[in-house]
Amino acid sequence: NAGVTQTPKFRILKIGQSMTLQCAQDMNHNYMYWYRQDPGMGLKLIYYSVGAGITDKGEVPNGYNVSRSTTEDFPLRLELAAPSQTSVYFCASSLGVGELFFGEGSRLTVL
Amino acid sequence: GESVGLHLPTLSVQEGDNSIINCAYSNSASDYFIWYKQESGKGPQFIIDIRSNMDKRQGQRVTVLLNKTVKHLSLQIAATQPGDSAVYFCAESPNNNDMRFGAGTRLTVKP
Repeated sequence: NAGVTQTPKFRILKIGQSMTLQCAQDMNHNYMYWYRQDPGMGLKLIYYSVGAGITDKGEVPNGYNVSRSTTEDFPLRLELAAPSQTSVYFCASSLGVGELFFGEGSRLTVL
Repeated sequence: GESVGLHLPTLSVQEGDNSIINCAYSNSASDYFIWYKQESGKGPQFIIDIRSNMDKRQGQRVTVLLNKTVKHLSLQIAATQPGDSAVYFCAESPNNNDMRFGAGTRLTVKP
């Protein structure tokens, strides 16, 4: 099992550009999450999903969109990138409410 | 170890000593809690969890204590080792659907 796979690992965007961070898990987990972590800070929940076709906002959803068309994939879309979105983004999955399995993170810089 | 402001609280201990990391959680309705360890450049890793119907749970070298009256969680690490140096986060589940993280504490183990 690969676990949770995030791509890309690094990306530099210009202000106003758009991009999608990809997340895939091969553990047949129902729950998937996107967090962002600013330098020296904790993780803030952006969006989460409890199953295919279901998504919900977390603590900091503004400027982001998600979709969950399959159990395996949970892409995070950034529209009109802003410098405030410079952060490390972590995708995670779990069977239910329980231990989260994290990807290695995607480091995004918006200039 | 409570996390306020824009920087991580820090805890420095001598190798072999016991460490106690504290966390104040926000939602009295939360009924599930997890401690995570995050090493530099990596995603968080599960350490131990506890449900609200318990006040103590032990793992290998780690103990989690839960005080629901004051909404306080602590992680005790016995015989702290250099490999324990990391940032430690508590996370709570306020609605049985998602996990919300605290700001974290940086533990440094001096040889």
